[in-house]
Amino acid sequence: GESVGLHLPTLSVQEGDNSIINCAYSNSASDYFIWYKQESGKGPQFIIDIRSNMDKRQGQRVTVLLNKTVKHLSLQIAATQPGDSAVYFCAENPMDSSYKLIFGSGTRLLVRP
Amino acid sequence: EPEVTQTPSHQVTQMGQEVILRCVPISNHLYFYWYRQILGQKVEFLVSFYNNEISEKSEIFDDQFSVERPDGSNFTLKIRSTKLEDSAMYFCASSGTGLDGYTFGSGTRLTVV
Repeated sequence: GESVGLHLPTLSVQEGDNSIINCAYSNSASDYFIWYKQESGKGPQFIIDIRSNMDKRQGQRVTVLLNKTVKHLSLQIAATQPGDSAVYFCAENPMDSSYKLIFGSGTRLLVRP
Repeated sequence: EPEVTQTPSHQVTQMGQEVILRCVPISNHLYFYWYRQILGQKVEFLVSFYNNEISEKSEIFDDQFSVERPDGSNFTLKIRSTKLEDSAMYFCASSGTGLDGYTFGSGTRLTVV
């Protein structure tokens, strides 16, 4: 069946270091991917998205990489700050569906001062 | 920045009772969604809604659930005869044309006792 999974449930990094959060997906029909940040008690907050016709997209301090060959998605956060501490989810939209999103299990990012 | 607004933020209900969760999507958005997140788990798709009808629903969204857009601004999720396992965060989301501007609300925490 379809699934979106994450390799590491918790990632701890030193403030100022770069963070890399990984995600594997299994639905090759997905053509749109989003990374969300979720802070405690809040809804998912959009970080960055990428379509399947791209392999890299950059935002402010964040970069998303898409490797369709191995169905792998990663989120890179540069110069990680304490405010980046949260749970990060990748989500995918299968091309043959409505505009639903299928979420992964989440990775908790802890930033050490 | 436009927001998706959900009320109430927390609802406690007795098992067997009916609850209505309310959402005000972003005003010019056309697509509306409900998701849920059981504590410590990933966000799960429930239903998508467009042009006054359900466009897709998940296996979770059985006859116990219904959605409605009673007027031009509100989007509601009704859960009939609530069960203990319905306890979760329920997130409303909306998007513009397709996946553009896909925004989540802060959620309603439903506790069934």
